[in-house]
Amino acid sequence: LAKITQPISMDSYEGQEVNITCSHNNIATNDYITWYQQFPSQGPRFIIQGYKTKVTNEVASLFIPADRKSSTLSLPRVSLSDTAVYYCLAPWGGKLIFGQGTELSVKP
Amino acid sequence: DTEVTQTPKHLVMGMTNKKSLKCEQHMGHRAMYWYKQKAKKPPELMFVYSYEKLSINESVPSRFSPECPNSSLLNLHLHALQPEDSALYLCASSQVAGTASGPLDTQYFGPGTRLTVL
Repeated sequence: LAKITQPISMDSYEGQEVNITCSHNNIATNDYITWYQQFPSQGPRFIIQGYKTKVTNEVASLFIPADRKSSTLSLPRVSLSDTAVYYCLAPWGGKLIFGQGTELSVKP
Repeated sequence: DTEVTQTPKHLVMGMTNKKSLKCEQHMGHRAMYWYKQKAKKPPELMFVYSYEKLSINESVPSRFSPECPNSSLLNLHLHALQPEDSALYLCASSQVAGTASGPLDTQYFGPGTRLTVL
């Protein structure tokens, strides 16, 4: 049974929309999925969280389909400063588990 | 204010040294966490304190000893570490300790302490 999985890396260009998907195929009805951004040698920074449908804040959107087996972090119009590692965090086996992290590289 | 502070920022120690990492938050959170993060890996949970009591120890070796003197402070005492213990040590806090990952147990992280064991 897979834990929390996400792509290892993604490349994008400035101004594009980036979507990063996290698979979490065993979460309970009211469990939230949380996304963090981490720069080298810094602590993870909270981006967004949700448990169903769509959540939007000033930096990102989070889409969660009805089956809740995955969630997608959407970063609109990325810039070079969005180059970082993005982690999803979700419950698994009674604990909160981080995905492996997606290293996003934004190019000019 | 969602700030968690950690000191020192960097620490180099020998295998026979005793040192401590410190973490502080003033958000009124009642849960605090220690994580260890190796390069290109996600943070790994070490300890969870809930209402100043140790609630989770993820089978961490006894050379790591956590302490929660009060609701705002969290220490990690280090003794007889090994070179493989070199990592970024992260502290986090949340309003409460839970696993639903909802707003009440959303974790806010400090900047970390980069530990090097020689």
